[in-house]
Amino acid sequence: DAGITQSPRYKITETGRQVTLMCHQTWSHSYMFWYRQDLGHGLRLIYYSAAADITDKGEVPDGYVVSRSKTENFPLTLESATRSQTSVYFCASSESRLADYNEQFFGPGTRLTVL
Amino acid sequence: RKEVEQDPGPFNVPEGATVAFNCTYSNSASQSFFWYRQDCRKEPKLLMSVYSSGNEDGRFTAQLNRASQYISLLIRDSKLSDSATYLCAEKLNTGGFKTIFGAGTRLFVKA
Repeated sequence: DAGITQSPRYKITETGRQVTLMCHQTWSHSYMFWYRQDLGHGLRLIYYSAAADITDKGEVPDGYVVSRSKTENFPLTLESATRSQTSVYFCASSESRLADYNEQFFGPGTRLTVL
Repeated sequence: RKEVEQDPGPFNVPEGATVAFNCTYSNSASQSFFWYRQDCRKEPKLLMSVYSSGNEDGRFTAQLNRASQYISLLIRDSKLSDSATYLCAEKLNTGGFKTIFGAGTRLFVKA
């Protein structure tokens, strides 16, 4: 199906483990984003990507790594998970045309719990 | 100070009521603003963009006040289905598509 998908939808892991969250979009959008959402903070940008092989840090990048070898995929890796990374993670994508009002389309989210 | 601030609410209103939310932003150079709606345990979805001249979509009206650096969302004739969290967002004028979101305002519409 067309759209933006995330996997897994739910994940429980332990402190210190490496975890990779997957994001896949079928629209060929150039821009992709990773956010985390916590109570009281709203959506905070972790990393974003303007195109394949182009990534940049957002507001809260520490402890996360991203890659973008293909336009449609934008995986997020927690290299050594910590309890403070327990959160809901949303991936989003946006069209590449230079317009002020380009909408971001969000995936369904991944609920990550780090024990 | 947060870049984008919203009253978290919750706003509890009866069906048919008119309710308004404000959202303040700190970057005076930002050009583009949005309201997203987020249902419980779901992803945010765009409700409407906020144009300089203001815009209306059915029961929803969005306004931008550059002098005071806030945007507003007005919902008329509230429906039960309007119950959700409303996130305001500011697209920074720094190139690219970096967007800052507020923490959201919760709305409960009751029968």
